[in-house]
Amino acid sequence: ETGVTQTPRHLVMGMTNKKSLKCEQHLGHNAMYWYKQSAKKPLELMFVYNFKEQTENNSVPSRFSPECPNSSHLFLHLHTLQPEDSALYLCASRGQGINSPLHFGNGTRLTVT
Amino acid sequence: AQSVTQLDSHVSVSEGTPVLLRCNYSSSYSPSLFWYVQHPNKGLQLLLKYTSAATLVKGINGFEAEFKKSETSFHLTKPSAHMSDAAEYFCVVSESSGTYKYIFGTGTRLKVLA
Repeated sequence: ETGVTQTPRHLVMGMTNKKSLKCEQHLGHNAMYWYKQSAKKPLELMFVYNFKEQTENNSVPSRFSPECPNSSHLFLHLHTLQPEDSALYLCASRGQGINSPLHFGNGTRLTVT
Repeated sequence: AQSVTQLDSHVSVSEGTPVLLRCNYSSSYSPSLFWYVQHPNKGLQLLLKYTSAATLVKGINGFEAEFKKSETSFHLTKPSAHMSDAAEYFCVVSESSGTYKYIFGTGTRLKVLA
């Protein structure tokens, strides 16, 4: 069982819907990340939070809105998405050591219709 | 600036034969290097990491990688492929400069033939 849990595993939404993705980590880490993984494209960093503060926004459209209420939880709020936003959204966390690896959840497979 | 290049997008091997997945990196600082594996519809699982200790790093499931600074390489190997090794593999570099940024390669899809 992974130390990073993402829900839901699958999500289908229309372009006018509002939905949220949830990530929870049980590893005692203080940094959390959102990545987007599309077919035939490299992994794209979206957001980074360190001690609940956003430290990276990789020019992500405003229809994606992250929220990090505490170091264990991370949300990605979605509204008025486009079909090209269909992808696997991966959450990861990292410990404080400078050589710490990322620990990933199993992702949410999002389909926008 | 950091970068990582996975030299093969697809690799096919027969079950029981050696696996070699190639990765070259570029980094301005002392890099940390990682290999991850991803099975279909799953997240990325850490196979192994190099963090300036021993240059030959052993990981899970019989994989290992050797850090070669002169060649700026960090190739992943396994002596004998198993059917369950079929997956996508990612080489990742991170700089020890406090930025906590991770640069991912484009991935190598490993196919294992029976």
